Order: sequence, then structure tokens, then C-alpha cells
Amino acid sequence: DIVMTQSPDSLAVSLGERATVNCKSSQSVLYNSNNKNYLAWYQQKPGQPPKLLIYWASTRESGVPDRFSGSGSGTDFTLSISSLQAEDVAVYYCQQYYTPPITFGQGTRLEIK
Amino acid sequence: QVQLVQSGAEVRKPGASVKVSCKASGYTFISYTMHWVRQAPGQSLEWMGWINAGSGDTQYSQKYQGRVTITRDTSASTAYMELSSLRSEDTAVYYCARDHSTGDYIFDYWGQGTLVTVSS
Repeated sequence: DIVMTQSPDSLAVSLGERATVNCKSSQSVLYNSNNKNYLAWYQQKPGQPPKLLIYWASTRESGVPDRFSGSGSGTDFTLSISSLQAEDVAVYYCQQYYTPPITFGQGTRLEIK
Repeated sequence: QVQLVQSGAEVRKPGASVKVSCKASGYTFISYTMHWVRQAPGQSLEWMGWINAGSGDTQYSQKYQGRVTITRDTSASTAYMELSSLRSEDTAVYYCARDHSTGDYIFDYWGQGTLVTVSS
């Protein structure tokens, strides 16, 4: 199974500042034939299901604010929030869908400093 | 708008089975694959398997092979997940999640979750 490891486990950032969450996969999730990274990011607020933010490592889901961006390739990925808003307080998960079983990172809790 | 509405919370004793439903609306049910993902209290997300709502084909995580069965009723636009031989470690919120595009394994819409509690 591909192991997804996120860092840090928790993060406190001031309102308006940049937040960065990292995700590392135990093997590459880049499919060479189509040059796509099979990596997604989700946001989960307390008591709610996860919400899709980013897929193919950097494609923003429709309706997601443009302060959210994804980058990286191969085994190392980053989710960035350019200017933290109060409503961004949540747990963020990365997910690989390169090969079953689909696996998620352990989550990164983002709070306001 | 796309909606996935799941059945209510369940309590089961160890060794029993549970069946959770997920009723879809707002899109053509048979054109998408439905996945099931669970989340134990305070833990991350764990993928269990999927069903192609059109063909009925399924694939399960090896971790749950033999204990999980995913089915669907196309006339009711509903997917089901049944987990048997329950143990306390199966206490979790179970989610259905629609595949963004069949075979992508990108989960674009989620149900509200169903809490299954396994306790003697």
C-alpha cells in the first residue's frame, strides 16, 4: 500500500498569512503515460464530511476559492492557502488515487494563531 | 444539485452485521461510481471499496475483503454498504462518496455520514 505522510500534524497561522501543508507518498504517484499526479486534497470541518479542494495535484475543484493551491510532483506535494481566513480552520487530508487501495494522509489540523 | 443522503446512526453488538444506505439525487445515478470511506473517531479516512452503479461491478479493499458487500438498487438510486462480523474497531462514521469520473477515485460529493457504534 502507498503510505501518505503529512507534515506538520498541526499548524497555527495568523489571519491573512500563508499556510502550507506538506504531503509525501511512499512511492511516486506520477503516471508517466499521461504526466498526471494522482493526488488530491480535502478539507474537513468538525462534524462535516470531507470536501474536495484539489485534484491532479494542482487542479482546483469548481467553487473552491483561489487562495487554495496545490503543487508538487512524484512523491512530494504541497497545499497552500495564500491568505488564511477564519473559515479555513479545518483538518486537511491528502489522498493518493494512483493505485488501490486508495490511501489518505493522517491529516493536518490548521488553527488560527 | 447533487445530494447523497445516508441512513441514520446504528448500534450493533460484536459479531452482528450492519447495512448503510446512500440515496443519490441530482444526477444520473448509473453514470457514476460510488465509493465507501470510513473514519474512526479522531482518525483519518479509510477507503473500503466501490461499486460501478451502472454495471454493478465492485472492488473492495483487501482489508475488508470477505466482510464488506457493496450493492446498489438502480430503481431507487441508492447504494448500500453491508459490513459483517462487526468488532469494536469498526466503530466509525461511514461515508458514501461519488467518484468525480468513473475510475478516477476522486471523491467530489460526500454523504453526511452514518455513525455505526459496535458495543456489547
